[in-house]
Amino acid sequence: DTGVSQNPRHKITKRGQNVTFRCDPISEHNRLYWYRQTLGQGPEFLTYFQNEAQLEKSRLLSDRFSAERPKGSFSTLEIQRTEQGDSAMYLCASSPTDREAFFGQGTRLTVV
Amino acid sequence: GESVGLHLPTLSVQEGDNSIINCAYSNSASDYFIWYKQESGKGPQFIIDIRSNMDKRQGQRVTVLLNKTVKHLSLQIAATQPGDSAVYFCAEKDPGTYKYIFGTGTRLKVLA
Repeated sequence: DTGVSQNPRHKITKRGQNVTFRCDPISEHNRLYWYRQTLGQGPEFLTYFQNEAQLEKSRLLSDRFSAERPKGSFSTLEIQRTEQGDSAMYLCASSPTDREAFFGQGTRLTVV
Repeated sequence: GESVGLHLPTLSVQEGDNSIINCAYSNSASDYFIWYKQESGKGPQFIIDIRSNMDKRQGQRVTVLLNKTVKHLSLQIAATQPGDSAVYFCAEKDPGTYKYIFGTGTRLKVLA
């Protein structure tokens, strides 16, 4: 499978714990996005990378959220001190241009 | 802020009929739009896109129409099949940023 890969697919964590998700974009796609999606809603933008540079972050993104793309390939999204409101599907997408973003299957986070 | 919305949350069609899914956008400066299909438990799947310098674009069994005068976008699916059952989102490229803005989606149900 040469699509966007996300791991883990599911994560259950206790409130207050830290979690980290990984995204492997399509090879040679220099653009990478993180989105969050709650049930019944469309994806909500979190952050954007072009190569290793984080060029945009949502104003809604709490300080507990941090994302990295150290070598311009895979990316990680960390949530510190998780809260129940963080429960959602976290989606990663990649693109070779500023168009046609291709999404992965997502990581479903449940905070209990 | 600007947002993308949909008129109908659920659309039921008979197998073999044509489907039309509508979307309204609010930012007249937006110049790029994408339709995504999302099946349960999966990430959004790119269907078709259109730039603002076009009124119509056709793919395989799908057509996207853009009416910039009334800021309206539609997705037409010809000869709807059971495999078309999913939630459909339109996404708008937010001008001057890197993000896509999604609406809440329309659920398409194909009746046998």
